[in-house]
Amino acid sequence: AQKVTQAQTEISVVEKEDVTLDCVYETRDTTYYLFWYKQPPSGELVFLIRRNSFDEQNEISGRYSWNFQKSTSSFNFTITASQVVDSAVYFCALYGGSQGNLIFGKGTKLSVKP
Amino acid sequence: DVKVTQSSRYLVKRTGEKVFLECVQDMDHENMFWYRQDPGLGLRLIYFSYDVKMKEKGDIPEGYSVSREKKERFSLILESASTNQTSMYLCASSLLPTGSGNTIYFGEGSWLTVV
Repeated sequence: AQKVTQAQTEISVVEKEDVTLDCVYETRDTTYYLFWYKQPPSGELVFLIRRNSFDEQNEISGRYSWNFQKSTSSFNFTITASQVVDSAVYFCALYGGSQGNLIFGKGTKLSVKP
Repeated sequence: DVKVTQSSRYLVKRTGEKVFLECVQDMDHENMFWYRQDPGLGLRLIYFSYDVKMKEKGDIPEGYSVSREKKERFSLILESASTNQTSMYLCASSLLPTGSGNTIYFGEGSWLTVV
C-alpha cells in the first residue's frame, strides 16, 4: 500500500529559526516520485519540488532544502532562516508507477512568528 | 505558467441542492483531478479523468459525479448536497502519461458550505 506520513501536525517557530518538516513514505514501487507542496492561507497548493526515486541527491533552492534518503524512506524539507511568509500548511506527496494520482500526507502547519 | 481556475471560491448551498463545481485548465493537460480537503484528513481524491469523457473513481467517490465534455474543463457534481460534504474542494491537472511523475498543478480551491 502507498502511504505518506507527516508526523508533525503543527510546528511553531520564531522568525530566523531553521525548521525541518518530516516526511516518511511507504511504497512497493521501484519507480516513484515525491513532492512537496505549500498551501498558504489563500488555499492554493503551490508546487515546491519533485524528486524521482533514482535521484537521491539533496537539493537546495534558496532557503529551502530537501533531504531524500531511500534507506529510511524519508524526504524531509528544511527551511533555513524562516520568515513569516513561510507560514503555511506543507504537504508531502507520493506518486507511484502503479497509481494514477498523488497520495498526500495529512500536512504540517507551520507558523512563523515575528 | 500553468493556470487551473476554479469558478467559485466560496459557495453556500442548502441540503438537497444540486451543486456544480467548475474547473478549467489552460495547459492542454490530459489528466484532471478533484480532491477534497478536510482538517486532519489531508487531501483525498474524489475522481480523476485522463481524457475527455473518461473518468475514474478515487478514494471517496460516493455522493459525487463528474463530467469532462471538453479537455480543458472538469466539473464536480453533488447530486444532492449534504452537510457532510461541507469542505474545501481542489481541482488539479497534469500531463500524461500516468506514472511518469508529471507535476500536478492545483487551483485555488472552492470552499463549499452546505446548510
